[in-house]
Amino acid sequence: TQLLEQSPQFLSIQEGENLTVYCNSSSVFSSLQWYRQEPGEGPVLLVTVVTGGEVKKLKRLTFQFGDARKDSSLHITAAQPGDTGLYLCAGENSNYQLIWGAGTKLIIKP
Amino acid sequence: DTAVSQTPKYLVTQMGNDKSIKCEQNLGHDTMYWYKQDSKKFLKIMFSYNNKELIINETVPNRFSPKSPDKAHLNLHINSLELGDSAVYFCASSPPLQPAANYGYTFGSGTRLTVV
Repeated sequence: TQLLEQSPQFLSIQEGENLTVYCNSSSVFSSLQWYRQEPGEGPVLLVTVVTGGEVKKLKRLTFQFGDARKDSSLHITAAQPGDTGLYLCAGENSNYQLIWGAGTKLIIKP
Repeated sequence: DTAVSQTPKYLVTQMGNDKSIKCEQNLGHDTMYWYKQDSKKFLKIMFSYNNKELIINETVPNRFSPKSPDKAHLNLHINSLELGDSAVYFCASSPPLQPAANYGYTFGSGTRLTVV
């Protein structure tokens, strides 16, 4: 069974701090997606990483796919209250299906 | 606006009742999904339809029955509701099955079902 583990489960930090959240698996994925979900809404796609070692930047967010395509990280620089939300990673398996992690709940305090 | 729309947003009902949740997408996508998100925020796929044909049917009670009248609609009917069915249900859509690198899932805003 393919599993994606996200850590930490919960993170609360002050505005302006940096943070990194992780998405790990023992399985290889064809690609990996990161979503952000705000209260009362559905997840919204942030980025897709495909190549082992790939790094993508979205303003203050930096996403990296592990060399072996088994793990990924999301680093946020100078976090802002607007970054608050549930961050979900999802890995694509060989059947084009997404395997979801349980998410990291991030709170940025002003 | 192009989107995935699901109704109702909130649904409170008594145990034993039958209820339906409707989902429509105007994105021209061929594939639609129903997900259940529990209190711990874990997203679990329930069903997937590709162009009105069921392609994923995870282990869910047969009280849950999806219906896709056309590729733009995927409704979820639940019979004999139980307390454990309380959760947020999300509808999503995507282009036809292909590498996810080419697309992302588009989610509706969810239906919060509370069974009392």
